[in-house]
Amino acid sequence: AQSVSQHNHHVILSEAASLELGCNYSYGGTVNLFWYVQYPGQHLQLLLKYFSGDPLVKGIKGFEAEFIKSKFSFNLRKPSVQWSDTAEYFCAVNWRSSNTGKLIFGQGTTLQVKP
Amino acid sequence: EAGVAQSPRYKIIEKRQSVAFWCNPISGHATLYWYQQILGQGPKLLIQFQNNGVVDDSQLPKDRFSAERLKGVDSTLKIQPAKLEDSAVYLCASSLNVAAGTGIEQYFGPGTRLTVT
Repeated sequence: AQSVSQHNHHVILSEAASLELGCNYSYGGTVNLFWYVQYPGQHLQLLLKYFSGDPLVKGIKGFEAEFIKSKFSFNLRKPSVQWSDTAEYFCAVNWRSSNTGKLIFGQGTTLQVKP
Repeated sequence: EAGVAQSPRYKIIEKRQSVAFWCNPISGHATLYWYQQILGQGPKLLIQFQNNGVVDDSQLPKDRFSAERLKGVDSTLKIQPAKLEDSAVYLCASSLNVAAGTGIEQYFGPGTRLTVT
């Protein structure tokens, strides 16, 4: 079955620390990849996306993610986190074979940044 | 541009009661989704509409859940009768037009937090 795994459930960092959140999906096939973020009290927002081309994609607020096809991974990175990055982060995968745009989400990672 | 609207934001009901949630997608978006997000988990798709037709309802518990999008714009999700395990946030999302291959990014509403006691 199609599934998405996020390795870290809860991450605590100090400001200016570097961030890497892991995301793996269950098997191959052509995929579209997304990271969503949910700030406290707000709705899910698209952080970045990968459809094709350069496997290193840049999103909003200094975030980037790298697609490694051989590892079925799409890890999220930020060189220096800020207190305002405190939020829940979700990785989501669309398998193009579904032809529906359906997203399978990981269970989410809660990031807490200490000032 | 207005985002996805949902109401109510919060609802508390007793088990075996019924409840309905409403969603208005971004104007012009043909594809609409309902997700269930249980605490500590990622959203799980319940049903997807393309205009007023159902594309995927494979994970919708059809014995108690129903959804409609009669005019291809706003949508209603209903639970009848509710169970304790239905306590969750119900999210609505829309995208431009998945069937046409133009814009599959999904934009989410604020969600409805349902508590079943």
